[in-house]
Amino acid sequence: NAGVTQTPKFRVLKTGQSMTLLCAQDMNHEYMYWYRQDPGMGLRLIHYSVGEGTTAKGEVPDGYNVSRLKKQNFLLGLESAAPSQTSVYFCASRYIGGVREQFFGPGTRLTVL
Amino acid sequence: GENVEQHPSTLSVQEGDSAVIKCTYSDSASNYFPWYKQELGKRPQLIIDIRSNVGEKKDQRIAVTLNKTAKHFSLHITETQPEDSAVYFCAATFTGGGNKLTFGTGTQLKVEL
Repeated sequence: NAGVTQTPKFRVLKTGQSMTLLCAQDMNHEYMYWYRQDPGMGLRLIHYSVGEGTTAKGEVPDGYNVSRLKKQNFLLGLESAAPSQTSVYFCASRYIGGVREQFFGPGTRLTVL
Repeated sequence: GENVEQHPSTLSVQEGDSAVIKCTYSDSASNYFPWYKQELGKRPQLIIDIRSNVGEKKDQRIAVTLNKTAKHFSLHITETQPEDSAVYFCAATFTGGGNKLTFGTGTQLKVEL
């Protein structure tokens, strides 16, 4: 099992450009999450999904959109990137049942110039 | 929304000493409290968690205690080793769908020889 994977690992964008980050999991998890991690601020939830075809806003959703067309994939989109979106982005997933651990992907380091 | 405060932000101990990291949370309905360890450039990984119906949980050199009345929980690492050096994050669930987690801002633990 690959667990949770993220594509790409690194990316540099110019202000105003768009991009999509892909998260994939092969553990048949229902729940998936997108976080951003900034120095001194921990992990903050951007959007999450409780199942295929559903998405919901987290703590810091502005400037991001998401889609969950397939259960194993959770996409995070930036329509018009801004320097404030420079961050490390982590995807996580978890099982719907009793085991509550969130499993994290390796992260995507995004720089917006 | 939920707020999780974590202290200290940095902690330096001598090898073999104990380390304690403390967190407080605001949502009295929170019922799950995980601790994650993140090494430099790596993904966060769960090291221990506790549910609200338990006051203490131990796994070898790591233990977590929970005081629901005071709304605080702590991570205890005994006999620290250099490989314990990392950033540690506490988290708590908050109400609403998706079993979302709110993370603390992290503690940089350095174990010195």
